[in-house]
Amino acid sequence: ILNVEQSPQSLHVQEGDSTNFTCSFPSSNFYALHWYRWETAKSPEALFVMTLNGDEKKKGRISATLNTKEGYSYLYIKGSQPEDSATYLCAFPGMLTFGGGTRLMVKP
Amino acid sequence: GAGVSQSPRYKVAKRGQDVALRCDPISGHVSLFWYQQALGQGPEFLTYFQNEAQLDKSGLPSDRFFAERPEGSVSTLKIQRTQQEDSAVYLCASSLAAGLRGGSNQPQHFGDGTRLSIL
Repeated sequence: ILNVEQSPQSLHVQEGDSTNFTCSFPSSNFYALHWYRWETAKSPEALFVMTLNGDEKKKGRISATLNTKEGYSYLYIKGSQPEDSATYLCAFPGMLTFGGGTRLMVKP
Repeated sequence: GAGVSQSPRYKVAKRGQDVALRCDPISGHVSLFWYQQALGQGPEFLTYFQNEAQLDKSGLPSDRFFAERPEGSVSTLKIQRTQQEDSAVYLCASSLAAGLRGGSNQPQHFGDGTRLSIL
């Protein structure tokens, strides 16, 4: 089992703030990293699949970067909105090994 | 349907009863996964199917847990003689990819989960 760690565990920001959080993983035997967004009472939704060192992907106000050599991926949210409130999970593909997630709460 | 469908959404059972949870994956998806999510935790892997073959069941917590996917489509997770510690959300996910690592570029698509409460 490959350990994936996320930080911080929770984050409270004001509407309009930009924020970022981290997913750390062992850099050896890297295949790919997935980011998921999980809103309360809904199922996890895939955001990004990161595969190559230096990858940077964007979806609206959310973007992610990948550094496989040092074993981390960052997720950025620009101009947070209340609807961004969710738990953001990173995981290795296949038999998903999830980090504990970062719970983001955006206050209007 | 367009997405992964799980039923029931909620299940309440008395300790000692058997329960069966159903997952309808996206049509054509080869891989199917079951996860257990305890309160306040991230999802934990239970078992994995490639078509009808159960290739990994290392995450099943005890021999009371049994999963099947007899025709390579719908899957059922059965829990016998339920215990209070079985209370959790059970998530099913499917992926177009075959193989645990071969489909690294394919994300998993999740159902809404079944919330199981054991009294």
